[in-house]
Order: sequence, then structure tokens, then C-alpha cells
Amino acid sequence: DQQVKQNSPSLSVQEGRISILNCDYTNSMFDYFLWYKKYPAEGPTFLISISSIKDKNEDGRFTVFLNKSAKHLSLHIVPSQPGDSAVYFCAASGGTDSWGKLQFGAGTQVVVTP
Amino acid sequence: DTGVSQNPRHKITKRGQNVTFRCDPISEHNRLYWYRQTLGQGPEFLTYFQNEAQLEKSRLLSDRFSAERPKGSFSTLEIQRTEQGDSAMYLCASSLGGPRDTQYFGPGTRLTVL
Repeated sequence: DQQVKQNSPSLSVQEGRISILNCDYTNSMFDYFLWYKKYPAEGPTFLISISSIKDKNEDGRFTVFLNKSAKHLSLHIVPSQPGDSAVYFCAASGGTDSWGKLQFGAGTQVVVTP
Repeated sequence: DTGVSQNPRHKITKRGQNVTFRCDPISEHNRLYWYRQTLGQGPEFLTYFQNEAQLEKSRLLSDRFSAERPKGSFSTLEIQRTEQGDSAMYLCASSLGGPRDTQYFGPGTRLTVL
């Protein structure tokens, strides 16, 4: 069963504007959430994470928001740059998988246009 | 470059053949994970090692799959009697030792079963 869902397979955004990527999860035991970025022919690269005790974490142009009651998290990229064009995966861990196994969403392809 | 490396990068085989992939983690990392990614999906967990001990295997991992991590260093993933459904990208990741330590991914091995 898919416990982490990214319902938008693709997103197109203009350079300089904000990119907002969304992710929903169903397992209330998840307590750690991550975003990975993936370029073609490369493995996923860690971007940013958030613990369930927080509702926001910021790192440069990247901010992750967590809404535990809605079981929803989002990634904001401001401003978007052409190099941000990639597939973004949301991932979660916790509960009985407390040793670090990650469960991933299906990914969102982001295209940043000039 | 001291990142995670995987070999081979590509493998084409005929149905029924055995294949073996290798993963070399970042040198000081105690944990090593194997994931599988199919087209349009996020990575799915296969198995996990803490040093040389294999501590968890996914239900996805049939008896045809076996993984080892001798001496807690590199790991191998073997698939026996390959099937067309085994065609996927096989990703290896490593982390320091805690469940929330960042998992660093290798570039993956793309397997095509004809």
C-alpha cells in the first residue's frame, strides 16, 4: 500500500517564481520526513528534512512545512532556478520502521522555464 | 570522490540468468540500504544492513534475491533466475548509523531483463 503520495506528477514554473510541491501520507506513526531531488542518470540527493516535532524547516531557498493534523507536507523553493529542474521525491520514516527505512512517494517532475 | 558507488551502471541479461550488483558505501557508514525503483515510481525498500548483519528484508524480496555485506564493507545483491519483472533501477544508499542519519544514494544499476 502506498503510504506516501505525491499527487502531482509534474509542475512547470517560471524562473524566479515559487515552486510548491505537495505530499500526503497515511501512516500516523511517521515522525521524520525528507525531500530528495533526482537528476536523470543519478541517484537521489538529500535536500531537506523535518521532524514531526516541528512544523517548518528552512535551508536557503528551500522550506519544508509539515501539517501533522492533515498528514500533509509541502516543499517551497523560492526563487526557482533552472538548475532546480529535476524529479523531487517526498519520503517518510518512523513507527515500526524506526531504524530508518524510507518510504517514498512517486515523485514530482519540476521544470523551471526561463 | 568518496560518495556511494555502484557497479555495473547498466546490466542487460536474458530471462533466467543470474546477475550480481555491487555497492561500495561511504567508508565510515555503518548502515547500507538497497532500494528498487521502477518507471514512474519512487524507490522501494528492499533490504538493510547494520554493519555485516542483514536486519530486515522487504516482502518484495522474493527467494530469488539475496544480499550480503561481508565484513560490513561493500555489499552485493544477487538475483537468480531473472524475470522480466525484475527490470528496474537498483539503488544503494548508506548512512552513518542512526535511523535519522541522512541516506546518501549511489547512481544505481539499471537492470534490463530481455
